[in-house]
Amino acid sequence: EAGVTQFPSHSVIEKGQTVTLRCDPISGHDNLYWYRRVMGKEIKFLLHFVKESKQDESGMPNNRFLAERTGGTYSTLKVQPAELEDSGVYFCASSPLGRGHTEAFFGQGTRLTVV
Amino acid sequence: AQSVSQHNHHVILSEAASLELGCNYSYGGTVNLFWYVQYPGQHLQLLLKYFSGDPLVKGIKGFEAEFIKSKFSFNLRKPSVQWSDTAEYFCAVNPPGNQFYFGTGTSLTVIP
Repeated sequence: EAGVTQFPSHSVIEKGQTVTLRCDPISGHDNLYWYRRVMGKEIKFLLHFVKESKQDESGMPNNRFLAERTGGTYSTLKVQPAELEDSGVYFCASSPLGRGHTEAFFGQGTRLTVV
Repeated sequence: AQSVSQHNHHVILSEAASLELGCNYSYGGTVNLFWYVQYPGQHLQLLLKYFSGDPLVKGIKGFEAEFIKSKFSFNLRKPSVQWSDTAEYFCAVNPPGNQFYFGTGTSLTVIP
């Protein structure tokens, strides 16, 4: 069974540009989470999808970040326009719905560098 | 807001030494507890988890963790570390149905 996959693995963009990160969760997992880790700091929650709906987007830093999950399958996270402080590793995770006790399965992350 | 505290940011040990990494959380209700590990160049992987039952849980590679409800703690232990345990370790707390809250991580370096 394929795990959670993220594209690209690395991205270097200039300040002001747009970047779109993609996450393909494990097939059948309705929960999808986005997290970010800025160097040396904790892994911070961005948002949580249940199927195609945003369950919790309280961690989204500002309106430059837009997440979508059309059809409830893969998700994209777009940053537009990117700022220097957006640099970090963006993790996606998925888990099945309907069971209160389950782990989250993580992708390998996308390392975003804004220069 | 919920928070997870990992007390050790960087730990350096010699092989065969014992390891204990502290994790405390602030959440009054039922939680699922996890330790994740990230080996160099790899993605986050589950080391062990606690949902209910025996508060002493065993994970992969000889790791174990003990849930002490009264202390809101979930400390990770290993009696004898190996060089291959060099990695970053994250404690995570998940109120069922909600997001996962992570600590800042502990970087472990094991010297051969």
